[in-house]
Amino acid sequence: GQNIDQPTEMTATEGAIVQINCTYQTSGFNGLFWYQQHAGEAPTFLSYNVLDGLEEKGRFSSFLSRSKGYSYLLLKELQMKDSASYLCAVFSGGYNKLIFGAGTRLAVHP
Amino acid sequence: KAGVTQTPRYLIKTRGQQVTLSCSPISGHRSVSWYQQTPGQGLQFLFEYFSETQRNKGNFPGRFSGRQFSNSRSEMNVSTLELGDSALYLCASSLTGDSSHGYTFGSGTRLTVV
Repeated sequence: GQNIDQPTEMTATEGAIVQINCTYQTSGFNGLFWYQQHAGEAPTFLSYNVLDGLEEKGRFSSFLSRSKGYSYLLLKELQMKDSASYLCAVFSGGYNKLIFGAGTRLAVHP
Repeated sequence: KAGVTQTPRYLIKTRGQQVTLSCSPISGHRSVSWYQQTPGQGLQFLFEYFSETQRNKGNFPGRFSGRQFSNSRSEMNVSTLELGDSALYLCASSLTGDSSHGYTFGSGTRLTVV
């Protein structure tokens, strides 16, 4: 079956670091995406990992371990505007579709 | 360049009616995917079109259908609406549909069935 798990909710303090974990079990794997979605808006692309290791992009980093079926999104120097849902999605290349986790709702407090 | 355009943004329909949603992808993109987003289920894949052909379909009943035109614009149709069809419907645009080119989402159409 296809299964992607991530925590439902997380809270963090402005200026801090937060790590959002994602574990997956899918029948195909051609890469893992992280998207950010503010309430009522479109998901926006944050990162894409296809090989094991860490990808860094400004305040955001994403890590992938294919052997463990595990990824995390690291957000540094948190800002209030980072309060949003973060979606982990696996690309099943053989099926040309993204399989999404339920999303992690992050609340950043002053 | 213009982003992904979905129309209408909001829609209210009655049970039993049918509805058609539209998605215009980024210029030059030939792949359009559709997703249903609900609070309980998250984003679920409906179908994907490339060059007017449906390449893949998710686990939704036959009431959900779609098509793509020669200019890559896509429509999805839901017939005999049920209350459970209330959701945000998102389309994603991609150059070819494979992961190397990424996906850009539209702002969605929020459908409410009453």
